[in-house]
Amino acid sequence: AQSVTQPDIHITVSEGASLELRCNYSYGATPYLFWYVQSPGQGLQLLLKYFSGDTLVQGIKGFEAEFKRSQSSFNLRKPSVHWSDAAEYFCAIRDAGNMLTFGGGTRLMVKP
Amino acid sequence: DTGVSQDPRHKITKRGQNVTFRCDPISEHNRLYWYRQTLGQGPEFLTYFQNEAQLEKSRLLSDRFSAERPKGSFSTLEIQRTEQGDSAMYLCASSGEDTSYEQYFGPGTRLTVT
Repeated sequence: AQSVTQPDIHITVSEGASLELRCNYSYGATPYLFWYVQSPGQGLQLLLKYFSGDTLVQGIKGFEAEFKRSQSSFNLRKPSVHWSDAAEYFCAIRDAGNMLTFGGGTRLMVKP
Repeated sequence: DTGVSQDPRHKITKRGQNVTFRCDPISEHNRLYWYRQTLGQGPEFLTYFQNEAQLEKSRLLSDRFSAERPKGSFSTLEIQRTEQGDSAMYLCASSGEDTSYEQYFGPGTRLTVT
């Protein structure tokens, strides 16, 4: 069975600083990987996805993620964080049956 | 296109009562998913429909949980004889044939069982 691990439960960064959120997965086949963001009281919004091809994928709001098969990782990055990026971020993997398995999430706090 | 909608947004119920939640997917999306999210955790898959067919229901948490999608449009999730442990956010998502890898989520229904 697939699984997703987000090692960092909380991360605090200063506004304008760079950001990297870690995601590690376990899956026997080629993974379909996603990053979602959830603001308080809101549903999940898709930031970006990886299916195949270029291992560096661009998403919305200036986010990008890099798929590294050798490390079973799909880390999310942003070069300069804005206060509005404070939210909870979830990494997910899709299996052959369309089910998404999510990591436990990383809560991002942004210091002014 | 107004996105995925869920009703109600909040529900408070007493233990032992039955509750039903509704999800309206993005129009023309043929796939609909239900997830549960407890505090501090990522969403957990419950069940999935393609049109009116429920293709996966083994992840429903107990036989107190059931879901329907009678005409392949909106869906309902029912919890019978609620327990305090059922308190959670219930999320619905939908996807279409051409973007079937992307699931679009609604705002969720927050259930509190007292």
